[in-house]
Amino acid sequence: GAVVSQHPSRVICKSGTSVKIECRSLDFQATTMFWYRQFPKQSLMLMATSNEGSKATYEQGVEKDKFLINHASLTLSTLTVTSAHPEDSSFYICSARRAASSYNEQFFGPGTRLTVL
Amino acid sequence: LAKTTQPISMDSYEGQEVNITCSHNNIATNDYITWYQQFPSQGPRFIIQGYKTKVTNEVASLFIPADRKSSTLSLPRVSLSDTAVYYCLVGDTDKLIFGTGTRLQVFP
Repeated sequence: GAVVSQHPSRVICKSGTSVKIECRSLDFQATTMFWYRQFPKQSLMLMATSNEGSKATYEQGVEKDKFLINHASLTLSTLTVTSAHPEDSSFYICSARRAASSYNEQFFGPGTRLTVL
Repeated sequence: LAKTTQPISMDSYEGQEVNITCSHNNIATNDYITWYQQFPSQGPRFIIQGYKTKVTNEVASLFIPADRKSSTLSLPRVSLSDTAVYYCLVGDTDKLIFGTGTRLQVFP
């Protein structure tokens, strides 16, 4: 149980286009989902916290108009990278906290590798 | 959120026990200690979580001294497939702040 999926697993796009990444909790409801970004050989950086039915909370330095997050249901959150540029190329990972989980136990998706040409 | 310090990297051989220590001097009373494992190009995977003393599951053990200012993740008899980055996180909220992690390399 507690499986989180992401789609797509990898995407290549042209500079200036928008890309949507989906994060789904497959067998549990997630009131809270999180989005991270990870550059090569670096640690995960929390971008935003997404709560179902409300606006996402962004970390300092993350542009909310560039990284649009929608958490429309208890099993789905989406991250849209708008007007993507090469510097947005990264590994994007989502996680979900199951309602009955203990503190800090988040279940992570497999990640989406974005390459912007 | 308490800051954590871990060794950047560790090497081991198959079959050995590996202990990765994490320092968290500013841990708060309500903070839990959680360890995650990450393979290249994959999302992190929960390994173990504890508050104090010792916790053991099918994968690892977590040792936490009485002052809780550090913790040690113990991996018994590692194999090549345990080569990964291991992250120690401390906190009492949903928000996970990842440190640099420890890159464990297991050799045959």
